[in-house]
Amino acid sequence: DAKTTQPTSMDCAEGRAANLPCNHSTISGNEYVYWYRQIHSQGPQYIIHGLKNNETNEMASLIITEDRKSSTLILPHATLRDTAVYYCIVRASGSGYALNFGKGTSLLVTP
Amino acid sequence: DVKVTQSSRYLVKRTGEKVFLECVQDMDHENMFWYRQDPGLGLRLIYFSYDVKMKEKGDIPEGYSVSREKKERFSLILESASTNQTSMYLCASSLLSHTAFDQPQHFGDGTRLSIL
Repeated sequence: DAKTTQPTSMDCAEGRAANLPCNHSTISGNEYVYWYRQIHSQGPQYIIHGLKNNETNEMASLIITEDRKSSTLILPHATLRDTAVYYCIVRASGSGYALNFGKGTSLLVTP
Repeated sequence: DVKVTQSSRYLVKRTGEKVFLECVQDMDHENMFWYRQDPGLGLRLIYFSYDVKMKEKGDIPEGYSVSREKKERFSLILESASTNQTSMYLCASSLLSHTAFDQPQHFGDGTRLSIL
């Protein structure tokens, strides 16, 4: 799996958009970008994944740069319940079953 | 929504006991996983199963075994619990991937196990 780099922590005001960046400059052509989050005392939660096109679902949007070396997860209207650690993972199909979370970004949403 | 249910949120056992952790998923997923999560060590895969009665060792299988008698249920067994097995245990499930990408894994809320 390609190495990813994320900021250690970020703050966001409630109701505003939270933009979480991830650098993955060594990504290969067959590797997808996945985002998970883990709210305190809960299990990790899958958010979204993408290859090269921007993706949107009911939870978030994923913007991947044209060269695929970085991406941004966007929570359009952050709520207090979005306070969590967010993990960006890059992996290809068949690269093994174990998910390897790095240190992630600790997002604090404030009132 | 996918629902992965772990039988206990908190569990306290004694050294040497045989411990069973149960996990049930309701989405007919082929794959099921057991991880442990420890501060500073991240998520580590213990075992996974891709079908009933099938299992594969993960990165840290020593001291553990698993059982999958039904598709929806995957059990983790600590044969003789030790204090270094005190941890948060997470169960996950996913569809079998027939595509170019790995199907996302869906997790339960975890069992915080303390071995005294």
